[in-house]
Amino acid sequence: EVQLLGSGGGLVQPGGSLRLSCVASGFTFSSHAMSWVRQAPGKGLEWVSGVSGTGGSTYYADSVKGRFTISRDGPKNTIHLQMNSLNTDDTAIYYCARDSRRTGTTVFDYWGQGILVTVSS
Amino acid sequence: ENVLTQSPGTLSLSPGERATLSCRASQSLSSSYLAWYQHQPGQAPRLLIYGASTRATDIPDRFSGSGSGTDFTLTINRLEPEDFALYYCQQYGSSPLTFGGGTKVEIK
Repeated sequence: EVQLLGSGGGLVQPGGSLRLSCVASGFTFSSHAMSWVRQAPGKGLEWVSGVSGTGGSTYYADSVKGRFTISRDGPKNTIHLQMNSLNTDDTAIYYCARDSRRTGTTVFDYWGQGILVTVSS
Repeated sequence: ENVLTQSPGTLSLSPGERATLSCRASQSLSSSYLAWYQHQPGQAPRLLIYGASTRATDIPDRFSGSGSGTDFTLTINRLEPEDFALYYCQQYGSSPLTFGGGTKVEIK
């Protein structure tokens, strides 16, 4: 059974940093790209960032480029999202999602349960 | 970026009725690279359809997708109580991938 277990959310002040993690199980981790998708309060889904199955390629939405860094730890079946220079617009539930393919950002066939990130003073 | 516009914003229907959801892209999608997701409050989104018309694993056949180019449709036949939720379309034909604003299917 595919499982994606996220952690690391919380309350942070504007300008602060936070690191999200997502541990995957139930599938061959290197065979799938992974992404983070978020949903701000009262808004729809927004793709944030992705990483290829090998970790060699990373992808970012313009809204987070230069502030967020995605990475993956193959032996630990884990991806991370380092979020710096956070602002109130980054307040959202963040979902870890498995891509159906090894590279690129395409279709997300499994999702984690969501991690709440609140940016507020 | 390819902007997806979903309509209507809210669909009020009764169990057993048919729901027809629309998704229009600002640019034509290559190879019908369009997916649909169901999102229940407090739960993880669930992939329903990819490639515009292919049902994902374990998705009941009352869900069907159609369309090409810029106009796509998700049809839910004979609505079940668990089908009342938010639905999003998503394109993956061009970078960055984008989601539509969503359609809420609510109980009338």
